[in-house]
Amino acid sequence: GENVEQHPSTLSVQEGDSAVIKCTYSDSASNYFPWYKQELGKRPQLIIDIRSNVGEKKDQRIAVTLNKTAKHFSLHITETQPEDSAVYFCAADNAGNMLTFGGGTRLMVKP
Amino acid sequence: NAGVMQNPRHLVRRRGQEARLRCSPMKGHSHVYWYRQLPEEGLKFMVYLQKENIIDESGMPKERFSAEFPKEGPSILRIQQVVRGDSAAYFCASSPRAGRPEAFFGQGTRLTVV
Repeated sequence: GENVEQHPSTLSVQEGDSAVIKCTYSDSASNYFPWYKQELGKRPQLIIDIRSNVGEKKDQRIAVTLNKTAKHFSLHITETQPEDSAVYFCAADNAGNMLTFGGGTRLMVKP
Repeated sequence: NAGVMQNPRHLVRRRGQEARLRCSPMKGHSHVYWYRQLPEEGLKFMVYLQKENIIDESGMPKERFSAEFPKEGPSILRIQQVVRGDSAAYFCASSPRAGRPEAFFGQGTRLTVV
């Protein structure tokens, strides 16, 4: 089955700086790679996703890159704001159905 | 169009009792996924169901846990004889068909075993 590793586990940045979170996956058959943001006590919310037929996708301050050959993908947040503080999870699909999640990154944006 | 609805939001059970968690998928969705999130950890897949069928239960413990998604009504995740280690947040997601892994989660049920 799929195995997803996520780094770093915690990340502290100054407001306005960029944050980068990286994930690797094991199953070359995976084609769908979403990112979730989870605030304390709340549900994970999908913030951006990418499919294997593209290498990069951007939505305002958030971008995701995918390297299928190396089997890794990354989340980039620019101009970070205090409200970006949360736990972020990457994931990869298993046979087009359920998702395997990384262990999470706790992002802290200091004002 | 309401999203995925889960209830109860919070559930407290004593050790040895049964816990029943309910999930109503988004309208028009016939596929349901259950995930468990232990404190300070990521989400782990438990079971994938289609109406009246269990498609994949590879992530669900063999003992005490069961799931169903009947023809009518919500999907139910049932935990018998709960233990402290079952304390977690249980999230449900739904999909309109197979091969659509996009997961939009319900609010979750936070189970506390005392």
